[in-house]
Amino acid sequence: SAVISQKPSRDICQRGTSLTIQCQVDSQVTMMFWYRQQPGQSLTLIATANQGSEATYESGFVIDKFPISRPNLTFSTLTVSNMSPEDSSIYLCSVSGGQTDEQFFGPGTRLTVL
Amino acid sequence: GQQVMQIPQYQHVQEGEDFTTYCNSSTTLSNIQWYKQRPGGHPVFLIQLVKSGEVKKQKRLTFQFGEAKKNSSLHITATQTTDVGTYFCAGGGGTASKLTFGTGTRLQVTL
Repeated sequence: SAVISQKPSRDICQRGTSLTIQCQVDSQVTMMFWYRQQPGQSLTLIATANQGSEATYESGFVIDKFPISRPNLTFSTLTVSNMSPEDSSIYLCSVSGGQTDEQFFGPGTRLTVL
Repeated sequence: GQQVMQIPQYQHVQEGEDFTTYCNSSTTLSNIQWYKQRPGGHPVFLIQLVKSGEVKKQKRLTFQFGEAKKNSSLHITATQTTDVGTYFCAGGGGTASKLTFGTGTRLQVTL
């Protein structure tokens, strides 16, 4: 299994600003995923980030709002740009297992936008 | 797009009672995975089912994948307070490794 850390664990931000969330994995992985989970709700996939290529975004999510970087096989960042209160949520990164499709999740970043 | 629904949305049981959550996909799945999320925690992988009609057991938990590979269930026998949390099914069916999470079932267990 992979061990994943995220920074920051939580933040309170003003509307109109941007926040970059970091995701670090203790082993090299091909695919990393970014999810959003609003309180009491399910997980919604934002995008899939593969090293060396552009992230693939899900319907309803765009690169201008959620730019993603994937500079190497152990690290990724998600930026939430020009934030509004509707962006208040928990943001989770995950990686898929080596020979299986199971996903390992980071602890999440709790974002509150005022 | 693919939708994965779970029922019930919430269930409250007394310790020792059984619990079942059902998962239904709008499309055929290549596999189904189950995750547990404790309050304040992140989702933790429980199991993956791949074959039509597959049944797997983990101690008090029994997982089943439907014959048509569009539905699944998780049954917990004799619940314990440690079973508290939200159980999500997640369907794999499109791009490799990409999952669509179900709506989740929150389980509350009291003594």
